[in-house]
Amino acid sequence: EVQLVESGGGLVQPGGSRRLSCAASGFALSNFWMSWVRQAPGKGLEWVANIKQDGSDKYYVDSVKGRFTISRDNAKNSLYLHMNGPRPEDTAVYYCARGSGYYQSFDYWGQGTLVTVSS
Amino acid sequence: DIQMTQSPSSVSASVGDRVSITCWASQGITTWLAWYQQKAGKAPKLLIYGASNLQSGVPSRFSGVGSGTYFTLTISSLQPEDVATYYCQQANSIPFTFGPGTKVEIK
Repeated sequence: EVQLVESGGGLVQPGGSRRLSCAASGFALSNFWMSWVRQAPGKGLEWVANIKQDGSDKYYVDSVKGRFTISRDNAKNSLYLHMNGPRPEDTAVYYCARGSGYYQSFDYWGQGTLVTVSS
Repeated sequence: DIQMTQSPSSVSASVGDRVSITCWASQGITTWLAWYQQKAGKAPKLLIYGASNLQSGVPSRFSGVGSGTYFTLTISSLQPEDVATYYCQQANSIPFTFGPGTKVEIK
């Protein structure tokens, strides 16, 4: 069974740092593009970043460029999001999601981890 | 960036009704369009990919059509378990973008 389990959320101070993790099981992470998608409280979905199977290509939404870094460790079947200098507007539930097939739709999602940026 | 819009923002219908949700892209995305269902407090679930392909395990009452800039998700016979917010999403170009969502309720 395919599973994605996020961890690492919590309260973080503005300007601090936090690393989110996503543990994958039931499939080989190395075969798939992976993304982070976030959802601010009561708001819609926002794609944050994605990373190619071997980690060679990474893309970000403009609002997090230079502050967040997506990475992966295929040997550990894990995906990461390093949040540097988070802002209050980064407060959201962060989901990891698997990109699948030609159309790169997100066919599996984790349960999400809540990050609250506040002093 | 490609902007995605949806209409209506919410819809209330009776069990068994046909419900349609429309999604527009600010520029052509051929069929690089997916639909997701998100129930309260849960992660989104993929319903449709490539504008019209039903994801495995999704009931056949869900269907999608469209290409270019105009897309529609239809629930042919609304069921109580379909209460959720529905989002369209384009994967034609980075950054991937989602529509604002359509909330579906039972009348």
